[in-house]
Amino acid sequence: GQNIDQPTEMTATEGAIVQINCTYQTSGFNGLFWYQQHAGEAPTFLSYNVLDGLEEKGRFSSFLSRSKGYSYLLLKELQMKDSASYLCAVVDSNYQLIWGAGTKLIIKP
Amino acid sequence: DGGITQSPKYLFRKEGQNVTLSCEQNLNHDAMYWYRQDPGQGLRLIYYSQIVNDFQKGDIAEGYSVSREKKESFPLTVTSAQKNPTAFYLCASSTTTDYNEQFFGPGTRLTVL
Repeated sequence: GQNIDQPTEMTATEGAIVQINCTYQTSGFNGLFWYQQHAGEAPTFLSYNVLDGLEEKGRFSSFLSRSKGYSYLLLKELQMKDSASYLCAVVDSNYQLIWGAGTKLIIKP
Repeated sequence: DGGITQSPKYLFRKEGQNVTLSCEQNLNHDAMYWYRQDPGQGLRLIYYSQIVNDFQKGDIAEGYSVSREKKESFPLTVTSAQKNPTAFYLCASSTTTDYNEQFFGPGTRLTVL
């Protein structure tokens, strides 16, 4: 079967750095997405990785290791508005998105 | 502005009634999707369509139906056969290239009383 694992919930302090991990086992791999979802709202795109390595975009970075079936999202200089759920999704061999359950990130002052 | 619209934002229905959720996009995307999200859970695929007049079942299609008569529109009907229909419903669209970033509508929260 196909499986994506993320921690259910994480807590961090405003101004700090947090790393959200995602491990996957899927039938094929054609890329990995990270989305942000505030409570009651639609997911919004954060990043896409298809090759190994780190992609940096402002305060957010995303890393991929295809050999390990592993990705992480790194958030720096945390702000209160970063409190949200972060969803990891893998594009499988049929170009379908397989979604993780999401990680709820709580930011404390 | 291009985007995806879903209406209404909140919807209440009595048990046993069918209800149709609308989804419209003007992004010229070929593919459209319907997801269900329950509290504290990820997205589960109900139906998807990659071309007009064709659609495929997702992981949890039972109790739901869709149509795709126009490229821009992909309505979802929640039938009385769906045992637990109260949920947050999200519609998305994408191109059909290999980089299929999905763009989401604002969602409809359906409550069945």
